[in-house]
Amino acid sequence: GQQLNQSPQSMFIQEGEDVSMNCTSSSIFNTWLWYKQDPGEGPVLLIALYKAGELTSNGRLTAQFGITRKDSFLNISASIPSDVGIYFCAGQAGNQFYFGTGTSLTVIP
Amino acid sequence: DVKVTQSSRYLVKRTGEKVFLECVQDMDHENMFWYRQDPGLGLRLIYFSYDVKMKEKGDIPEGYSVSREKKERFSLILESASTNQTSMYLCASSFRLVTREQYFGPGTRLTVT
Repeated sequence: GQQLNQSPQSMFIQEGEDVSMNCTSSSIFNTWLWYKQDPGEGPVLLIALYKAGELTSNGRLTAQFGITRKDSFLNISASIPSDVGIYFCAGQAGNQFYFGTGTSLTVIP
Repeated sequence: DVKVTQSSRYLVKRTGEKVFLECVQDMDHENMFWYRQDPGLGLRLIYFSYDVKMKEKGDIPEGYSVSREKKERFSLILESASTNQTSMYLCASSFRLVTREQYFGPGTRLTVT
């Protein structure tokens, strides 16, 4: 199946900094989902987006459904050490789900 | 809260063994999914089920089968385990495809020696 293009692949940031990552696709999606996965654990759903242009927040996390419906962005403000993990996006088109390969985030105290 | 549980967190099996991975969800979800996750390859769909006794092949069904006898339970079966099936296996469920949110279990790390 299709894989989404997710960037960057990895990020090393100082505690307190803001973080941005994005996913792009050649296909139009009806839904964008953002997950966080800690080492050895299953992914946990952070934010779900259903409409083009939608901007949704979950605490320090904000995600947007791109106007073209082919991309999505996730921002984390004022990062803290527990933000460490792998973040990945998922998009749905029809009955199919597609996943990004993840952004590995390291927060340096 | 949605809860998806998987029968084992870690499994070590020998080549040729038959392996059963079980997944249970407690939210009355119609849809259940099995993925494997490998470094650099992301999540790949093995099988999914949208109802009891129904199953559909995903992107990589070869070497796997599934069983869904009850709505809350979805089993992944490796008929004859091979070393290239060493991976992290993730189960997910969703209420309906239209709601579009998948919830994942904690994963099973399977090693085939």
